[in-house]
Amino acid sequence: KAGVTQTPRYLIKTRGQQVTLSCSPISGHRSVSWYQQTPGQGLQFLFEYFSETQRNKGNFPGRFSGRQFSNSRSEMNVSTLELGDSALYLCASSLDSGEGGYTFGSGTRLTVV
Amino acid sequence: DQQVKQNSPSLSVQEGRISILNCDYTNSMFDYFLWYKKYPAEGPTFLISISSIKDKNEDGRFTVFLNKSAKHLSLHIVPSQPGDSAVYFCAASGDNNNDMRFGAGTRLTVKP
Repeated sequence: KAGVTQTPRYLIKTRGQQVTLSCSPISGHRSVSWYQQTPGQGLQFLFEYFSETQRNKGNFPGRFSGRQFSNSRSEMNVSTLELGDSALYLCASSLDSGEGGYTFGSGTRLTVV
Repeated sequence: DQQVKQNSPSLSVQEGRISILNCDYTNSMFDYFLWYKKYPAEGPTFLISISSIKDKNEDGRFTVFLNKSAKHLSLHIVPSQPGDSAVYFCAASGDNNNDMRFGAGTRLTVKP
């Protein structure tokens, strides 16, 4: 079965711009979580969506937002980009229970210049 | 605040020997723990998990041990193989499994 697909793989933006990242989960998975990975902080939880509703949110500023569509695909948006937003953004899909773990996509590497 | 800590950023072992990766957590509400393996330029892949009702879970060469009183878990890989060289993330979550906290990762290098 197809894995979790994240697009684009790489992105370069300038400070102040906004960006939208996309995540297509594994078929049948209804939960999509987003994570930011940086060398110093490891993986940090951004938010999770389930059935088009945000179920949990991490400690990120309001510039980070997301949504989920009826087909479970999810988008993450970052507005007013800052240099510190440069990171690998990972999404993970799971069945509702999360039992057995999550399947991660390969990530979108965002560079803010 | 780092609720899940992997204090060793890197570990190097000889092929055939045991690799032990450690993880500490601070939140006593965590009751489900996972290990992920990540190769360069790829997303993490799930490796093995353990719930708080157990103190050991084994899957082939991989065994995870949980010490709840010490808030500590470890991943043992035996025997280690060069293909095990990767970054290993420890993760923990509460009873709804929906808000997972990750450690910063430990880079394991298995030398032939």
